[in-house]
Amino acid sequence: GDSVTQMEGPVTLSEEAFLTINCTYTATGYPSLFWYVQYPGEGLQLLLKATKADDKGSNKGFEATYRKETTSFHLEKGSVQVSDSAVYFCALRLGAGNMLTFGGGTRLMVKP
Amino acid sequence: NAGVTQTPKFQVLKTGQSMTLQCAQDMNHNSMYWYRQDPGMGLRLIYYSASEGTTDKGEVPNGYNVSRLNKREFSLRLESAAPSQTSVYFCASMRDETYEQYFGPGTRLTVT
Repeated sequence: GDSVTQMEGPVTLSEEAFLTINCTYTATGYPSLFWYVQYPGEGLQLLLKATKADDKGSNKGFEATYRKETTSFHLEKGSVQVSDSAVYFCALRLGAGNMLTFGGGTRLMVKP
Repeated sequence: NAGVTQTPKFQVLKTGQSMTLQCAQDMNHNSMYWYRQDPGMGLRLIYYSASEGTTDKGEVPNGYNVSRLNKREFSLRLESAAPSQTSVYFCASMRDETYEQYFGPGTRLTVT
């Protein structure tokens, strides 16, 4: 079945460091891909998305590129801030279905 | 525009007690979802509703029932709570045009 694999956390960085959170997927078709962010004590919020190969999603300084050849959708940010500390979830939606498959989440901690 | 609201925010139950978690959305979305989030497990889908009057099982439906009362409201019922149901429960709705899911703030449930 469809699945999403994320790097294990926690990821601990200093402020202004470069961030990469790896996400790879397994799917029989060509899914739409999403990154969601969960701040402490809150629900998930959509961060960015990409719907076809080579699309780049971006928001709030975060970027991710849909790579069909490597079945990946890695999240990057050039300079993280303390306020970026959160749990990040990669997810996919396949075909005409209306369900998302989520990865296990990666906790990011940014220290001043 | 409140988005997705959930009540209660916190609940403690004894084993065997029953309760209903309430969810409502004001975005006129057709699809609604109930997830549970356990430490290190990411999000797991309990039940979903693709439209008013329909419900379907997700990955972990045992021990739960749902009701799609109308287009706005989707409730989750625990008939006889068990300690294994201690978790954080999230309700979500999906925007049909973009397949983006919007999450409520969650209900933290403890079963003793």
